[in-house]
Amino acid sequence: AQSVTQPDIRITVSEGASLELRCNYSYGATPYLFWYVQSPGQGLQLLLKYFSGDTQDQGIKGFEAEFKRSQSSFNLRKPSVHWSDAAEYFCAVVDQNYQLIWGAGTKLIIKP
Amino acid sequence: DAGVIQSPRHEVTEMGQEVTLRCKPISGHNSLFWYRQTMMRGLELLIYFNNNVPIDDSGMPEDRFSAKMPNASFSTLKIQPSEPRDSAVYFCASERGREAPNEQFFGPGTRLTVL
Repeated sequence: AQSVTQPDIRITVSEGASLELRCNYSYGATPYLFWYVQSPGQGLQLLLKYFSGDTQDQGIKGFEAEFKRSQSSFNLRKPSVHWSDAAEYFCAVVDQNYQLIWGAGTKLIIKP
Repeated sequence: DAGVIQSPRHEVTEMGQEVTLRCKPISGHNSLFWYRQTMMRGLELLIYFNNNVPIDDSGMPEDRFSAKMPNASFSTLKIQPSEPRDSAVYFCASERGREAPNEQFFGPGTRLTVL
């Protein structure tokens, strides 16, 4: 069965530092992958998606993600975080019924 | 476009009462999803509709939960009777269609507290 693992429940990063949020998926075929962000008290918003082709996908707010088939990973990166990036980040993979299988989320805390 | 609209944003009720949550999807979107989010269980898909027809309700916890989509612009999720363990944030999301993987657009959620 398809699954998504986000190994880090919480990550603390200093403002201006680089960020990497990990996501590993389990899916037999070519995966369709998403990263969503949830700010406090808000719904989820799409950050970026991977459908096919390039290994890197550019998203909004300066985020990017690298798809590595050999490692079954789709890690989210940002070169320099801002205080406004404090939120919870969810990775998701699409299953054979086009349903989203969600990771448990990683809460990002920004230190001033 | 106003995005996905949910009402109410907050609901506090007493155990045993009926609760109705409402959702208006983005115009032109053919699929609608109801999710529940809790600290313990994360984000769970409850039910989804395609062209107003319920396709998969396997995530609905029990018979106390029901969902309807009488037309393309409105859906409800009802809990009757409500219980304290139903306290959660309920999200509605819509999607353009099911022909291929698409982005889901989420509403702001309804925070339900059952006392």
